[in-house]
Amino acid sequence: AQKVTQAQTEISVVEKEDVTLDCVYETRDTTYYLFWYKQPPSGELVFLIRRNSFDEQNEISGRYSWNFQKSTSSFNFTITASQVVDSAVYFCALSTSTDSWGKLQFGAGTQVVVTP
Amino acid sequence: EAQVTQNPRYLITVTGKKLTVTCSQNMNHEYMSWYRQDPGLGLRQIYYSMNVEVTDKGDVPEGYKVSRKEKRNFPLILESPSPNQTSLYFCASSLGQGLGTEAFFGQGTRLTVV
Repeated sequence: AQKVTQAQTEISVVEKEDVTLDCVYETRDTTYYLFWYKQPPSGELVFLIRRNSFDEQNEISGRYSWNFQKSTSSFNFTITASQVVDSAVYFCALSTSTDSWGKLQFGAGTQVVVTP
Repeated sequence: EAQVTQNPRYLITVTGKKLTVTCSQNMNHEYMSWYRQDPGLGLRQIYYSMNVEVTDKGDVPEGYKVSRKEKRNFPLILESPSPNQTSLYFCASSLGQGLGTEAFFGQGTRLTVV
């Protein structure tokens, strides 16, 4: 069965600190995609990144970076020099060839609180 | 502007009173789905549709119905809502070109059943 675990329920940091969100996934499929979404206090879901199972290159986008390690089934997300606007719930999600191909299996989410 | 539109954004209703949450997308996407978000559980898929007149159950379909008569619309129907259906609901659509296609989400509908 497909599963995504975000063990951190809430992380609180002071502005300018770095924060790393863990995501561990389970699947027997060799072809799959991993996603991160941000849900700010306004409630909408904002797409951040998509990574396929054949591309283990780490990615950096501004203050955001992602570390994909198939050996540990992890797809961790780091916010560098956090800002108050980064306060949100962050979801990791998995899409596999076993499920209907549009389905996303979400983790429980990690609430990030950034205080000034 | 490409978007998925849900209505209403907020709804308070009473147990047993039928309701419909509408979802419409303007991107000509084939794949549409509904999710519910609950604390500690993330988002879970309720129903999905791969095209017009093609729908199937997701992980938590009990108590819900859907229909896909037109490509752009995918309403979620609660025939007899119960308090355990109090949740935040999201409609999503994607182009349907296979695994990994980006999903676009609506703004969410916060439903309270009393």
